[in-house]
Amino acid sequence: RKEVEQDPGPFNVPEGATVAFNCTYSNSASQSFFWYRQDCRKEPKLLMSVYSSGNEDGRFTAQLNRASQYISLLIRDSKLSDSATYLCVVSLYNQGGKLIFGQGTELSVKP
Amino acid sequence: NAGVTQTPKFQVLKTGQSMTLQCAQDMNHNSMYWYRQDPGMGLRLIYYSASEGTTDKGEVPNGYNVSRLNKREFSLRLESAAPSQTSVYFCASSEAPGTATYEQYFGPGTRLTVT
Repeated sequence: RKEVEQDPGPFNVPEGATVAFNCTYSNSASQSFFWYRQDCRKEPKLLMSVYSSGNEDGRFTAQLNRASQYISLLIRDSKLSDSATYLCVVSLYNQGGKLIFGQGTELSVKP
Repeated sequence: NAGVTQTPKFQVLKTGQSMTLQCAQDMNHNSMYWYRQDPGMGLRLIYYSASEGTTDKGEVPNGYNVSRLNKREFSLRLESAAPSQTSVYFCASSEAPGTATYEQYFGPGTRLTVT
């Protein structure tokens, strides 16, 4: 079983749609959680950290459920510029802060 | 402020050749990392350096060596390239994990093909 699993997609949605990505992680010692965004053939960039209380940044909302070992990302009012691959990432502090990446979920927003 | 830089951007090697991928960061970060990214596999950690003077193996270290030359630079060496090492290689850096600004910043990547 992969340590971090995501639905690979692709998700094809029209502009203005709401789309949700799900992610599960297997190591209960995971302590920090992130969503990174990766544009085609570019480097990953941090989109947002994920906190236990849930957090929102504009059109983006991230949720964490430690009991279920589940992380989600909700994008409201999708824009063409949201088209990218979204990477679910967890960190284990007791292993030098290494990040474990999911394989990514591809999103394509169409006009 | 260039962030994380990597050289070269592209490289083609023949099986058995060696090369070194260079990485430098100008953010005064303590930790540096090397990843490879293959289709459908996500990013996998090859080696990391939690601080200057230390290096540790990641998930896929076989066939690679690293050197943390100083706080700024972290190089990755392929001693005898194999086709299985065809991949996109990313270098990243961060402040110490657990800090409020623990975010990994990535370089633009090196696209390596081994024939």
